[in-house]
Amino acid sequence: QQQVKQSPQSLIVQKGGISIINCAYENTAFDYFPWYQQFPGKGPALLIAIRPDVSEKKEGRFTISFNKSAKQFSLHIMDSQPGDSATYFCAASIRSGSTLGRLYFGRGTQLTVWP
Amino acid sequence: EPEVTQTPSHQVTQMGQEVILRCVPISNHLYFYWYRQILGQKVEFLVSFYNNEISEKSEIFDDQFSVERPDGSNFTLKIRSTKLEDSAMYFCASMYVRERFYGYTFGSGTRLTVV
Repeated sequence: QQQVKQSPQSLIVQKGGISIINCAYENTAFDYFPWYQQFPGKGPALLIAIRPDVSEKKEGRFTISFNKSAKQFSLHIMDSQPGDSATYFCAASIRSGSTLGRLYFGRGTQLTVWP
Repeated sequence: EPEVTQTPSHQVTQMGQEVILRCVPISNHLYFYWYRQILGQKVEFLVSFYNNEISEKSEIFDDQFSVERPDGSNFTLKIRSTKLEDSAMYFCASMYVRERFYGYTFGSGTRLTVV
C-alpha cells in the first residue's frame, strides 16, 4: 500500500516561474509532513515541514499548503532558480508510539529549472 | 552545523559477502534510523532504533539485516549475505524530539554495489 502519493514525477520550469509539487496521503494518523530536497549523491535534506493544525507555512521562497479534509499537501517554490534543480520528496510521519519518526516517502519529483 | 556521518561513501562487495555500513549520529540525538534508496526510486524505511533496541522494522529488514550501537556513538547496519538486489544507497538518520519539534537529519549515504 502506497501511503504517500506524489506527482508529478518530473517537472520542468523556467527560471523565475512557480514550481508546484503535490502529495496525497492515506493514513489520517499522520501528523507531520516534511519536504526533502535531494541533490545527486547526497542524502535528503529537510526543506520545510508542516503540522496538520496549520493550513500554510512559508519559509522564504518555499511554501507548503495543507488541506486536511482532502488529505493533500503541496510544495510551492516561488521564483524558481537553476540551483533549485533537484529531486524533491514529500513525506509523512506519526510523532508518537512505536512508529515515532518513521518517514513514509513519496516517489519523488525531479525538478529542472531552466535558466 | 552538526552532521550525521556515514562511512564508507561507496562499497563494492561480492554477492554472498557480509558488509557493515557505519554511521555516527548527531551526539544528542536519541532515535536512529536506516533507510535505503534503490537507484531512481523512493527512499524506503528499513529500521528504527531507540534505547538500544529495534523500535520498528519494515518487511525489507529480514534476517539478513541487523543493527547495532556497539559503543554508544556508532550505529551500524550489517547485511550478512549480500544479494544483487541489496545494491542501493543506504542512509542513516538520527533525530531528537523536543516538545513538538523534530530535529531529523540524514547522512550523505553509503552507495552499496553488489556484484
